[in-house]
Amino acid sequence: QPVLTQSPSASGDPGQGLTISCSGGSSNIATNKVNWYQQVPGTAPKLLIYSDYQRPSGVPDRFSGSKSGTSASLAISGLQSEDEAVYYCAAWDESLNGPVFGGGTRLTVL
Amino acid sequence: VQLEESGPGLVKPSQSLSLTCTVSGASISSGSYYWSWVRQHPGGGLEWIGHLFSSGRTSYNPSLESRLTISADTSKNQFSLRLNSVTAADTAVYYCARDHHDFGEPYSWFDPWGQGTLVTVSS
Repeated sequence: QPVLTQSPSASGDPGQGLTISCSGGSSNIATNKVNWYQQVPGTAPKLLIYSDYQRPSGVPDRFSGSKSGTSASLAISGLQSEDEAVYYCAAWDESLNGPVFGGGTRLTVL
Repeated sequence: VQLEESGPGLVKPSQSLSLTCTVSGASISSGSYYWSWVRQHPGGGLEWIGHLFSSGRTSYNPSLESRLTISADTSKNQFSLRLNSVTAADTAVYYCARDHHDFGEPYSWFDPWGQGTLVTVSS
């Protein structure tokens, strides 16, 4: 079972916005930074957001991250067909002394 | 920076799994980054395996630590993973990645990743 909890699926129409959530606990999200990865089927994960809300260069500003308490969120605005992918959250876990991941949310653009 | 995994795609149960990650565009001995292994099980879940710093310092996932060794060959700009006594549960796509982590600090993110290599454990 993944340490961080994500809904398995989400969907939205092109142009719409949506939010993907990630729930953790006191040993990870509550005290440490959250990262988000995007994985298009058949490819390696790609860093999307790091340190809660920072975007690596090249990531569109349609993607934004936030955190509150033991939960984090990835917001995507202006959905595009190329956003169809699985999105994973991750955070450092004090119990593991290493990073842990969520189970992933598969995004479908209708 | 590019990373590329290599190694056998099929390993027999109870044997050892050995993979190598070749890094180009950056030196693993520069002391700027850690270098990690992450695996993805057939169901999709991601699991951090462990990481290595240029000094040779390593840190492993406790669930794998007793079977795991991560090492570096700085002359070839490569780092490797060896996992002993494998079972079917070790079947996964194995990724290497540059790890943005500082010693003693509670953060780590992976960028970039290699393309991954599928390892199947089966007789």
